[in-house]
Amino acid sequence: AQSVTQLGSHVSVSEGALVLLRCNYSSSVPPYLFWYVQYPNQGLQLLLKYTSAATLVKGINGFEAEFKKSETSFHLTKPSAHMSDAAEYFCAVSSGFQKLVFGTGTRLLVSP
Amino acid sequence: DAGVIQSPRHEVTEMGQEVTLRCKPISGHDYLFWYRQTMMRGLELLIYFNNNVPIDDSGMPEDRFSAKMPNASFSTLKIQPSEPRDSAVYFCASSFDGALQETQYFGPGTRLLVL
Repeated sequence: AQSVTQLGSHVSVSEGALVLLRCNYSSSVPPYLFWYVQYPNQGLQLLLKYTSAATLVKGINGFEAEFKKSETSFHLTKPSAHMSDAAEYFCAVSSGFQKLVFGTGTRLLVSP
Repeated sequence: DAGVIQSPRHEVTEMGQEVTLRCKPISGHDYLFWYRQTMMRGLELLIYFNNNVPIDDSGMPEDRFSAKMPNASFSTLKIQPSEPRDSAVYFCASSFDGALQETQYFGPGTRLLVL
């Protein structure tokens, strides 16, 4: 079975600081990996996804993630945090025919 | 496009009552998914449909839960009878096709509280 592990249920950064949210995956076949963001009282919105075309994936709102097969990782980064980035972030892996398996989420807190 | 539409946004009901959640997927999307989100269990896939046909309902908790998709633009998730442990946020999502890399688009969710 495929799974993802998100390290850290909460991450706190200052505005302007680097954002790093960690995701490690487990998969017996080449995976498709996703990062979704959930703002308070809203549904999930796709930030970016890895589909094997390029290992460095750029998404919306200045986020990017790098697929590292040797480390089985797909960490999400943003060079400079903004207050509006405060949200919950979910890493997910495709586990077979259209079944997304989500991680437990990481809540990003951004302080002024 | 308006995106995935869910109603109601909030539902408060008493234990034992029937609850019906509604979803309108994005037009042209052939796949529809129902998820449940709780603090304890995170995001769980309950059931998904392809061209209105249920494909996998292995995530449905028990017989009290049922889902239907009578046409391409409407789906319901019903809980009868409801119990306090059903309190959660229920999301509907849709996607264009069933490819592994296909993006799922989520609705805003229905926040259900069963007293």
